[in-house]
Amino acid sequence: GESVGLHLPTLSVQEGDNSIINCAYSNSASDYFIWYKQESGKGPQFIIDIRSNMDKRQGQRVTVLLNKTVKHLSLQIAATQPGDSAVYFCAENSSPEGSSGSARQLTFGSGTQLTVLP
Amino acid sequence: KAGVTQTPRYLIKTRGQQVTLSCSPISGHRSVSWYQQTPGQGLQFLFEYFSETQRNKGNFPGRFSGRQFSNSRSEMNVSTLELGDSALYLCASSLFGGLNTEAFFGQGTRLTVV
Repeated sequence: GESVGLHLPTLSVQEGDNSIINCAYSNSASDYFIWYKQESGKGPQFIIDIRSNMDKRQGQRVTVLLNKTVKHLSLQIAATQPGDSAVYFCAENSSPEGSSGSARQLTFGSGTQLTVLP
Repeated sequence: KAGVTQTPRYLIKTRGQQVTLSCSPISGHRSVSWYQQTPGQGLQFLFEYFSETQRNKGNFPGRFSGRQFSNSRSEMNVSTLELGDSALYLCASSLFGGLNTEAFFGQGTRLTVV
């Protein structure tokens, strides 16, 4: 079946450094991707999204890159702060096979635990 | 603006029992989706409701069901609980649930089956 997965389960970075979290997806028909941040005891929080007609999108301290050729997605966090420590998920927003276009679901990757070291 | 509210936050049930979880979406949001999160399987889609109709369903057994009310509040029910149903159940609301619709998650209900 189709899946979205992450390359690394854990990532440790020094405070102030840049972080890069990677994600691979297998559904070449995927047209919308989202990055979520989940802190302990909380639900996932939207960070940034990107449509398949874009290669790059920037937010505040975050950038998402999409490489459709190799079906790869990455999240870059600039000047990583202690508050960035969390689990990061990439998610694919897609329509299941045989469903109407309005039926969408999020397929999540397994997540990367980002730890920011002082 | 209030966020997505899930109740209860924590729940302990015994095998064989049934449980009902509640989700109140953000005001004005009509789409509510449910997800199960476990350490082993990660976040998995359960189902989505829009305007009181189930629009999409994930690969879960029929013991998992849900419904949505006219005020967009949603409930999910799990019958004949199994130990493996222990998980964090997350609800997400969005305006219409389609492409490019940002989904906002609640804090979840932690269900423990003993």
